[in-house]
Amino acid sequence: AQTVTQSQPEMSVQEAETVTLSCTYDTSESNYYLFWYKQPPSRQMILVIRQEAYKQQNATENRFSVNFQKAAKSFSLKISDSQLGDTAMYFCAFGTMSPLHGGSQGNLIFGKGTKLSVKP
Amino acid sequence: NAGVTQTPKFRVLKTGQSMTLLCAQDMNHEYMYWYRQDPGMGLRLIHYSVGEGTTAKGEVPDGYNVSRLKKQNFLLGLESAAPSQTSVYFCASSPWTSGRAEQPDTQYFGPGTRLTVL
Repeated sequence: AQTVTQSQPEMSVQEAETVTLSCTYDTSESNYYLFWYKQPPSRQMILVIRQEAYKQQNATENRFSVNFQKAAKSFSLKISDSQLGDTAMYFCAFGTMSPLHGGSQGNLIFGKGTKLSVKP
Repeated sequence: NAGVTQTPKFRVLKTGQSMTLLCAQDMNHEYMYWYRQDPGMGLRLIHYSVGEGTTAKGEVPDGYNVSRLKKQNFLLGLESAAPSQTSVYFCASSPWTSGRAEQPDTQYFGPGTRLTVL
């Protein structure tokens, strides 16, 4: 069974600084996606960034980038130039193909989240 | 284009009562999912659907039933609510992407339903 572990329950960072959130996962699948979702106090789940496992290049999205280490099964999120609006829960998630199409689950497996506070 | 919507946003039930949560998406997505989120936990999958007329169990299906009679709607039912089902429920949908390997794409989430069972 796949598992996703986020080892940092809470983190804080000063505005304009850089912070890295950690995520490790365990799987025997070879083809999968990895995601970071943000959940602000509004409760809405917002996609931050995604990475396809078959791509060696790390995904970037403006101030957000990932460090994807496939052999180590590590998928960390770096937030540069942190802003007050980045304050939220951040969830790492792992996704595979549906069993109907040869995969194991088809849904997302979520970590327990990291609560990030950006301080002025 | 409203994306994924959920009805209702809040609900309070008494133990033993029944209710149905409605999820609707207007993006013509094949896949739809129901998750629950509890304090200190990530989201856990209850049931999912890979297309109209099909459903499958997720990680925590007990006490819930689902139906997908129309492609755009995915209903989550609680037949006899229990306090353990107090949670925030999220619906999500994703397209079926044909890329290097066909697999579900990014999931798009609704705003959530906060359910309290007394």
